[in-house]
Amino acid sequence: SQTIHQWPATLVQPVGSPLSLECTVEGTSNPNLYWYRQAAGRGLQLLFYSVGIGQISSEVPQNLSASRPQDRQFILSSKKLLLSDSGFFLCAGSVNRESGYTFGSGTRLTVV
Amino acid sequence: LAKTTQPISMDSYEGQEVNITCSHNNIATNDYITWYQQFPSQGPRFIIQGYKTKVTNEVASLFIPADRKSSTLSLPRVSLSDTAVYYCPDECHGNNRLAFGKGNQVVVIP
Repeated sequence: SQTIHQWPATLVQPVGSPLSLECTVEGTSNPNLYWYRQAAGRGLQLLFYSVGIGQISSEVPQNLSASRPQDRQFILSSKKLLLSDSGFFLCAGSVNRESGYTFGSGTRLTVV
Repeated sequence: LAKTTQPISMDSYEGQEVNITCSHNNIATNDYITWYQQFPSQGPRFIIQGYKTKVTNEVASLFIPADRKSSTLSLPRVSLSDTAVYYCPDECHGNNRLAFGKGNQVVVIP
């Protein structure tokens, strides 16, 4: 079974600073990978998904970008953070539709 | 994307069976129905998946009627540790992209 690793668990960053959140996958190869954001008291918003190395699809226009330099690595980035970028960011992986998604433990980002 | 709808919140006493419903008004023919559980400050956890009729595993049962326009997640004899948000995300017409709504907050009371 696959395991999704995310770090850091919490992050406080000033407005205008860059961001790099990393997600790595263990236990499987060639997964679909996803970045979600969850605002307080809300559902999960799909930000990006990837079906393979270098293949990124964006679901919503925003100040964030994603990259997949290796099969088991998915990175969420920003060049300049905005206050509105705060939230709980979750990385998820999926091998096939029948087995569902496996989520990481998340990164709580606070932009100050 | 299909849109699912769920009640926002419900309370239940320990030891009771809890049934949570979800409407799948725009479900596509090849979409699965899946349910996830999320505890505070954690990522959601996959609970159960089905296509039609009834599916049961060690955690829950999932009931899906023939028209697949709804589903019911059944948690037998809940305990305090079952307090969580439960989601029935939309599947994007079989493309394995899930859209999570606000979910259903279940609070188990001693």
